[in-house]
Amino acid sequence: ETGVTQTPRHLVMGMTNKKSLKCEQHLGHNAMYWYKQSAKKPLELMFVYSLEERVENNSVPSRFSPECPNSSHLFLHLHTLQPEDSALYLCASSQDRRTGSYGYTFGSGTRLTVV
Amino acid sequence: EDQVTQSPEALRLQEGESSSLNCSYTVSGLRGLFWYRQDPGKGPEFLFTLYSAGEEKEKERLKATLTKKESFLHITAPKPEDSATYLCAAPHKYIFGTGTRLKVLA
Repeated sequence: ETGVTQTPRHLVMGMTNKKSLKCEQHLGHNAMYWYKQSAKKPLELMFVYSLEERVENNSVPSRFSPECPNSSHLFLHLHTLQPEDSALYLCASSQDRRTGSYGYTFGSGTRLTVV
Repeated sequence: EDQVTQSPEALRLQEGESSSLNCSYTVSGLRGLFWYRQDPGKGPEFLFTLYSAGEEKEKERLKATLTKKESFLHITAPKPEDSATYLCAAPHKYIFGTGTRLKVLA
């Protein structure tokens, strides 16, 4: 596989559930990102990891917990979410935090619905 | 405050009807103004990077231009397959616009 792969593509979870989103990149990039995309809003940065170290945390509620075990994998652990957390969650990678000439490579996203 | 603002929010064109999308930006220390295309249910796909005023990039029916305050994405003789949401961004500041939803009618 090439590019950035996200699983699952769709997720429906109750407010008391615990689930995880997974992202894997096969591009040899050193930086990985989680973005949230809600209807009619710009992409909202959640977390940035560079060389497996979290370097940005955009005031995200603690019910979202990221994990980056190595430079190819990124997880977003979810627990006790709220209905307003329903959105498309996008993972992206780039060569480094300066993004380079091609900016980000995005995955296809996980469509999350909280019921 | 760093930001990018896109207009119009939505645009409907007839096939072959050329038009332009606008991205106004106020970003300090700009390190590239990026354009992406996003299809429904998918992640954004890279189109162009513009670094300095006066720069232009072309790809098929798309041409992106940059001034000191704005970027334009010109679409010449669009086809239905050009229907998508087009996003502009300053990724080094983690800033994206809300996008222009383009619909090209056959």
